[in-house]
Amino acid sequence: QKEVEQDPGPLSVPEGAIVSLNCTYSNSAFQYFMWYRQYSRKGPELLMYTYSSGNKEDGRFTAQVDKSSKYISLFIRDSQPSDSATYLCAMRGLSGGSNYKLTFGKGTLLTVNP
Amino acid sequence: GAVVSQHPSRVICKSGTSVKIECRSLDFQATTMFWYRQFPKQSLMLMATSNEGSKATYEQGVEKDKFLINHASLTLSTLTVTSAHPEDSSFYICSARGSPGQANTGELFFGEGSRLTVL
Repeated sequence: QKEVEQDPGPLSVPEGAIVSLNCTYSNSAFQYFMWYRQYSRKGPELLMYTYSSGNKEDGRFTAQVDKSSKYISLFIRDSQPSDSATYLCAMRGLSGGSNYKLTFGKGTLLTVNP
Repeated sequence: GAVVSQHPSRVICKSGTSVKIECRSLDFQATTMFWYRQFPKQSLMLMATSNEGSKATYEQGVEKDKFLINHASLTLSTLTVTSAHPEDSSFYICSARGSPGQANTGELFFGEGSRLTVL
């Protein structure tokens, strides 16, 4: 079993739809959770960064963490064509030093159709 | 957010040659930089962690003599792919973390990536 599992999609939705992206993980040492957006041939861009279980909202984006189930989600409301990208979940442990290295999911390719 | 610049964005080279990729933190000092490799439709795979002024720590299976990493200053890390072969063709991405004390200490800033094609 991989440490982080993420459905690679592709996921295609109409403009305005609510998008739900998910990752599961097996390593209980992971404490920090991030969502990155990566446009084609570009580096990842940080969207959301969470530590606690629960929800964190930023504009149209909501990150949800359930540590008991080892399950994280990213919701995108009122999706736009400009949201079309690959979304990567990432996570790391609590300690510093080399534990700042992230473990990434495979990424989900999202297309929002006008 | 902080800016990480990566250069070149694209490079094509002949098999057997060496290629150097630079990663610079433009508006902050990066004590730690990470080098990733990404194949098409695959996730980012960490290659090595580089700390300023010390040797890089390589992940299992990554040849340190092939992928030379130098982090000579707090704003620059370089990855040199030595004696490149076609199987080294990939998208290489660096990321940088600032010094402790910055907000969001878990936050990494990524470069734009460098696409290497070895003929």
